[in-house]
Amino acid sequence: DAGVIQSPRHEVTEMGQEVTLRCKPISGHNSLFWYRQTMMRGLELLIYFNNNVPIDDSGMPEDRFSAKMPNASFSTLKIQPSEPRDSAVYFCASREGVAGYNEQFFGPGTRLTVL
Amino acid sequence: QQQVKQSPQSLIVQKGGISIINCAYENTAFDYFPWYQQFPGKGPALLIAIRPDVSEKKEGRFTISFNKSAKQFSLHIMDSQPGDSATYFCAASQASGTYKYIFGTGTRLKVLA
Repeated sequence: DAGVIQSPRHEVTEMGQEVTLRCKPISGHNSLFWYRQTMMRGLELLIYFNNNVPIDDSGMPEDRFSAKMPNASFSTLKIQPSEPRDSAVYFCASREGVAGYNEQFFGPGTRLTVL
Repeated sequence: QQQVKQSPQSLIVQKGGISIINCAYENTAFDYFPWYQQFPGKGPALLIAIRPDVSEKKEGRFTISFNKSAKQFSLHIMDSQPGDSATYFCAASQASGTYKYIFGTGTRLKVLA
């Protein structure tokens, strides 16, 4: 299995631009998570989906952030408009089943820089 | 009550020494405690996990110690090696139900050769 696939791996954009991050979970996994990692705040959960349905989006910073999961094999995280404080590494993770004790498998991350 | 507090923020250990990272939680509903290891430029990966029905779990050089009454758990890395240099995250979750992980803030470990 190729693992969780994220694209792009690096993104540099200017303030005010729209940014779309993409994730392909491991085939057969039912849950998908979007995290943001910064030095100051560590690893923060933004949103997670079970069976393509958003379950908890309480970590989404503000209305500029939105996430979708149109099918079991694809998810996007969109930031519009982007701001310099959004600069971080964004991780997608997937999990087989929905139980809390199942391992989450992380992708390699997307490093976002907003100038 | 949802927080998991992790310490220290960074740790430097000599090769062959013992690395100890501590975590504490408040929510007594948590009953699953994984540790994730992250190398630079990579995503975190599961290292070892424990449920509160045991006080200790060991996998090779890595041991989790769990103190249910104190609501604390820790990761011990015995005979630390330079290849162990990474960031370590503790987490807590509820094993049942569609639950998410609550991660600690991470510990950056450097093992000197």
